[in-house]
Amino acid sequence: EDQVTQSPEALRLQEGESSSLNCSYTVSGLRGLFWYRQDPGKGPEFLFTLYSAGEEKEKERLKATLTKKESFLHITAPKPEDSATYLCAVEKSYNYGQNFVFGPGTRLSVLP
Amino acid sequence: DTGVSQDPRHKITKRGQNVTFRCDPISEHNRLYWYRQTLGQGPEFLTYFQNEAQLEKSRLLSDRFSAERPKGSFSTLEIQRTEQGDSAMYLCASSLAGATSGRKETQYFGPGTRLLVL
Repeated sequence: EDQVTQSPEALRLQEGESSSLNCSYTVSGLRGLFWYRQDPGKGPEFLFTLYSAGEEKEKERLKATLTKKESFLHITAPKPEDSATYLCAVEKSYNYGQNFVFGPGTRLSVLP
Repeated sequence: DTGVSQDPRHKITKRGQNVTFRCDPISEHNRLYWYRQTLGQGPEFLTYFQNEAQLEKSRLLSDRFSAERPKGSFSTLEIQRTEQGDSAMYLCASSLAGATSGRKETQYFGPGTRLLVL
């Protein structure tokens, strides 16, 4: 069965304390892996798309990497405004609507 | 602003009542998705349209749920005879898919409609 898991479930960091979030997946025919940021009470905000193992994308303090079985979201020197839930989703091949499977998310809190 | 919009943002209703939500996608996007999200979970797929055609429905979508996208633009999601278990955030997303978009089918989400069934 297709599955996306994320760890840790929650993470508390001090401002400036770098860390990584993990997204592990078992899907048949991965077309792409997506990272989203979600603030409380709001819809997910698109961050990155990764398509191939070895690919990396960066945006400000965030860097996403992809291997054949997992993706990491590295946060360098985080600030309190980086506090949010980070969701990953995988896009599968040869499906229509159910082609996006989301993980449960990692709740990140960055303390000043 | 050309982002995805949803209306209303919040809805409180009594059990047994019907509710309808609206989603306006990004104008050039041909695909529109509905998801449900409960606290502490990622979005769960409900249904999906390509233009005006509803191509797939999740088994999560009971007979009390119906969605339409009559002209291939905005979409509505109706829940009949609401139950307390329907309380959730209902998210709409849109994307541009097809030969010209290549591999890039990023889904862009609206702000969601939070439903509370009393």
